[in-house]
Amino acid sequence: GAVVSQHPSWVICKSGTSVKIECRSLDFQATTMFWYRQFPKQSLMLMATSNEGSKATYEQGVEKDKFLINHASLTLSTLTVTSAHPEDSSFYICSASWDRGLGNTIYFGEGSWLTVV
Amino acid sequence: LAKTTQPISMDSYEGQEVNITCSHNNIATNDYITWYQQFPSQGPRFIIQGYKTKVTNEVASLFIPADRKSSTLSLPRVSLSDTAVYYCLVGDYNAGNMLTFGGGTRLMVKP
Repeated sequence: GAVVSQHPSWVICKSGTSVKIECRSLDFQATTMFWYRQFPKQSLMLMATSNEGSKATYEQGVEKDKFLINHASLTLSTLTVTSAHPEDSSFYICSASWDRGLGNTIYFGEGSWLTVV
Repeated sequence: LAKTTQPISMDSYEGQEVNITCSHNNIATNDYITWYQQFPSQGPRFIIQGYKTKVTNEVASLFIPADRKSSTLSLPRVSLSDTAVYYCLVGDYNAGNMLTFGGGTRLMVKP
């Protein structure tokens, strides 16, 4: 099946620094990718929709200047958490839409744990 | 966007069939129904997707009544490794729309 890969799987960074998470679609081209965050024992919360070649669309309450999203190619989207703070520590998950000819299906990456110390 | 409602949790025993029902009363004409499985510290894994009637694959079946206001994920003969959170999502994926997650159903399979 389709594979969406994230890197790194986990990262620890110091407060005030920035960290980048990559999301790649390995088997297909993804015009649209999505970024979620998930706190322990909670559901996934959509942060933004990443569109190849254009600006991302952010959900209400998500700071676009803090969570920078770049979708420079059809197989790569990146999420950069800028000036990270401990409250940004979370599980970040990306997903991508793939048209298998039977309608689009959304596939998710493995997720990336971010810990800000 | 169609909102989904699922039971918060369910318990089962190994070897049993598990049926998880999801309500989506305001599903739109172009919406598909997709179920995902999530283990702790992993991204959701695609299980099955359907539009109407019944869909079956190697791991599950999806039953969708004619009015499409609900759907039921059926897991045959569950094992301990099926303990996970199961999410039902509804959306017009062909339009590239994002998915809004509900609370999911936490399935506990006991020996």
